[in-house]
Amino acid sequence: EDQVTQSPEALRLQEGESSSLNCSYTVSGLRGLFWYRQDPGKGPEFLFTLYSAGEEKEKERLKATLTKKESFLHITAPKPEDSATYLCAVQDPGTYKYIFGTGTRLKVLA
Amino acid sequence: NAGVTQTPKFQVLKTGQSMTLQCAQDMNHEYMSWYRQDPGMGLRLIHYSVGAGITDQGEVPNGYNVSRSTTEDFPLRLLSAAPSQTSVYFCASSPTTGATYGYTFGSGTRLTVV
Repeated sequence: EDQVTQSPEALRLQEGESSSLNCSYTVSGLRGLFWYRQDPGKGPEFLFTLYSAGEEKEKERLKATLTKKESFLHITAPKPEDSATYLCAVQDPGTYKYIFGTGTRLKVLA
Repeated sequence: NAGVTQTPKFQVLKTGQSMTLQCAQDMNHEYMSWYRQDPGMGLRLIHYSVGAGITDQGEVPNGYNVSRSTTEDFPLRLLSAAPSQTSVYFCASSPTTGATYGYTFGSGTRLTVV
């Protein structure tokens, strides 16, 4: 069965304190791994798609990397506006269904 | 571009009532889905559609119906509301079923069943 596990559940950082969020997955044939950002009371917002091990993508202070079993979302010198829940998802290759993890709630303190 | 529009934003239902959550997208996306989001459970897929006239079940389809008569619209029907259906519902769309694109999500419908 396809599974996505995110850790930690919650993370508090001081402004400027870099860290990483983890997304581990089990899926038979990865079609894509997705990262989303969700602000309170809003729908998730798409950030990145990664396709193959070794791939990296960057957007402002965020960098996503992918291995055969997990993905990391690295946050460099975060600011309070980076506070949000970050969701990871994979796509099942046979059914096209997306399977989401439960997310990491990030709080960046000024 | 409006993106994905969900209505209503908030709704309170009594147990046993039925209602339809509306979802419309103006991006000509083939792929549309309905998710529910509950604390500690993440986003769980209810139903999805890979194109007009085609729908399929997700992981939590019981108590919900969908139809896709047009590319733009993908309504979700609650047949007989139960307190367990209290949740935040998100509609999402993607250009194709391929993994190239992520979803565009609506802003959600917060449903309370009393």
